[in-house]
This record gives sequence, structure tokens and C-alpha cells, in this order.
Amino acid sequence: EAGVTQFPSHSVIEKGQTVTLRCDPISGHDNLYWYRRVMGKEIKFLLHFVKESKQDESGMPNNRFLAERTGGTYSTLKVQPAELEDSGVYFCASSHHSSVISANTGELFFGEGSRLTVL
Amino acid sequence: QKEVEQNSGPLSVPEGAIASLNCTYSDRGSQSFFWYRQYSGKSPELIMFIYSNGDKEDGRFTAQLNKASQYVSLLIRDSQPSDSATYLCAVNEREYGNKLVFGAGTILRVKS
Repeated sequence: EAGVTQFPSHSVIEKGQTVTLRCDPISGHDNLYWYRRVMGKEIKFLLHFVKESKQDESGMPNNRFLAERTGGTYSTLKVQPAELEDSGVYFCASSHHSSVISANTGELFFGEGSRLTVL
Repeated sequence: QKEVEQNSGPLSVPEGAIASLNCTYSDRGSQSFFWYRQYSGKSPELIMFIYSNGDKEDGRFTAQLNKASQYVSLLIRDSQPSDSATYLCAVNEREYGNKLVFGAGTILRVKS
């Protein structure tokens, strides 16, 4: 079974340009999450999709970030225009269950991340 | 105050010893707690999760949770060089949705 895959693995762009990151979750996982880790900081939650619907986007930093999940399969995260502080590693994760406790599972599967460098 | 705090390390232990990794969290209503292992340049990988007070054992790993003290730990018995990695503590402040709050991670080095 394929894991969570992310593309590109590394992107270098100039300030003001646009970048689109893609995530393919594990097949059958309705829950898809975006997290990011900026330099020297903790991994932070960005948003949560259940199928194609945004369940929680409270972590999105500002309106330069747009996440979509049309059709409830893969997701894209667009940064437009990119700023220097957007540099970091963007992780996508997916899970089958939404509730850890009721499902007795903690399994949130992460991709290897997309490293974004804004110059 | 950070929501989830970990000692950044590095924590160095000899091969075969017990490695003890600690984490405190600030939200008293937190529901579930996770330990992830991350090798450099790789994805975080779930090691253990726990949501009831006490100990939970899985092979060489034991997670310990004390909600009154807002403290969660991970013990790794018979540490191996392959356990050398960054260990991330994560807390889910709600039952629904894996909106995890991560600590900065503790670097563990197991010396052979």
C-alpha cells in the first residue's frame, strides 16, 4: 500500500512567486491534514479536510495560502505570493478515522514533506 | 509558555540502556498524546499513542501519562543505534480531528 506522497520534495522560488504543493493521501483516507515546520520551530497545524470539505482551517497563516481538495482525493496547497517567512517544510498527513479515542487509534500517516525555500 | 515543551537535547545514551524522553503540555483539557520518531529528512512516524493515565507498553517502548501533572513520557528499553532520531511529542487538544500540537522534539543519540 502506498503511503502519503508529496510533490515536489523541494522547491526554490523567489519572493513574490507562486508555488503549488501537492499531496496524495493514502487511498481511502477521508481525513487529510496540512502541517508545516518553519526553521527552528515546531510542526504546526494548518488545516484539516474531511473528504472535499474544510473541517478546520484555523491554522492557515493568512490569505496568501489556499488549500483545495477537489473530489476528495488529492490536495493542493498554493502560496501566492510567497514571502521569505513561508520557507519551511510542508507536511501532509492522512488518517482513516477522525476521532482517536472512539476509534482507539492514533494513526496519522505523514508524508515526507515538501521543502519550500523562498529567496 | 509553549503549549508542548520538550528538552531539545541531544540526549545521549549507551547502547542497551534505557532512554527516557519527557514532555509537558499546557492545555489541561488535552485528550490524547502521541510520540513520533523522525529520522532526518524523513516523515514523522508514530511510535506510541496514549489517552488514559498510566503506562502503555509496546515492545521496547513504554508511554507514560500523568494528566494531573500534565506530563507524558516515552521510555525506550534496550536502546539501539537505530533508535537515534528526533522524537516528537504531540498533543491532541480535542477528541475529534487530529489537530496535533507538536513539541520541538528531542534529539536522541544512542552510542554503540
